[in-house]
Amino acid sequence: AQTVTQSQPEMSVQEAETVTLSCTYDTSESDYYLFWYKQPPSRQMILVIRQEAYKQQNATENRFSVNFQKAAKSFSLKISDSQLGDAAMYFCAYRRDQGGKLIFGQGTELSVKP
Amino acid sequence: GAVVSQHPSWVICKSGTSVKIECRSLDFQATTMFWYRQFPKQSLMLMATSNEGSKATYEQGVEKDKFLINHASLTLSTLTVTSAHPEDSSFYICSAKRTLQVLKNIQYFGAGTRLSVL
Repeated sequence: AQTVTQSQPEMSVQEAETVTLSCTYDTSESDYYLFWYKQPPSRQMILVIRQEAYKQQNATENRFSVNFQKAAKSFSLKISDSQLGDAAMYFCAYRRDQGGKLIFGQGTELSVKP
Repeated sequence: GAVVSQHPSWVICKSGTSVKIECRSLDFQATTMFWYRQFPKQSLMLMATSNEGSKATYEQGVEKDKFLINHASLTLSTLTVTSAHPEDSSFYICSAKRTLQVLKNIQYFGAGTRLSVL
């Protein structure tokens, strides 16, 4: 069975600094999708970034980028120039294929200090 | 675009009553919708996968007679918590997957429903 592990329950970053959130996963599949979702206090899940496993290039969305290491089954999220609005719970998620269900990690609560 | 509306956002009910939660995709068709449960400070746990026009697929340990799911159209899925008890109090979130091929990989989430059973 596939599993997703986020080993950092809480992280803190100074405003304007960079922070990296860790995520590892376990799967025997070769084709899959990885996601980072943000859940602010409103609890609305927001897609931050996604990565297709067959793509070697790391995905980037403005201040958000990932370090995808397929062999190591690692998928970390880097947030550059952190802003107060980045404070939220961040979930790493895995999906086996286009129709598969999302499997979430335990979440990392990110706080941003002014 | 890609808005998923979930209603109600908060419901309080008495123990033993049933509660229906709606999940609508407002600007796209969703063949598949998903229902999650989330406890405070915890991750999302998938309860069931709802497919339009067919029976829902429940995850192991989720009582299908307790959590009734209906997906009668391409834009609406409902979750009914039957004979609710205090232990059913939780945050319920739905998500919808677009039918269109181009953006099929993305799930869009509703804002969630907080259920409090007294």
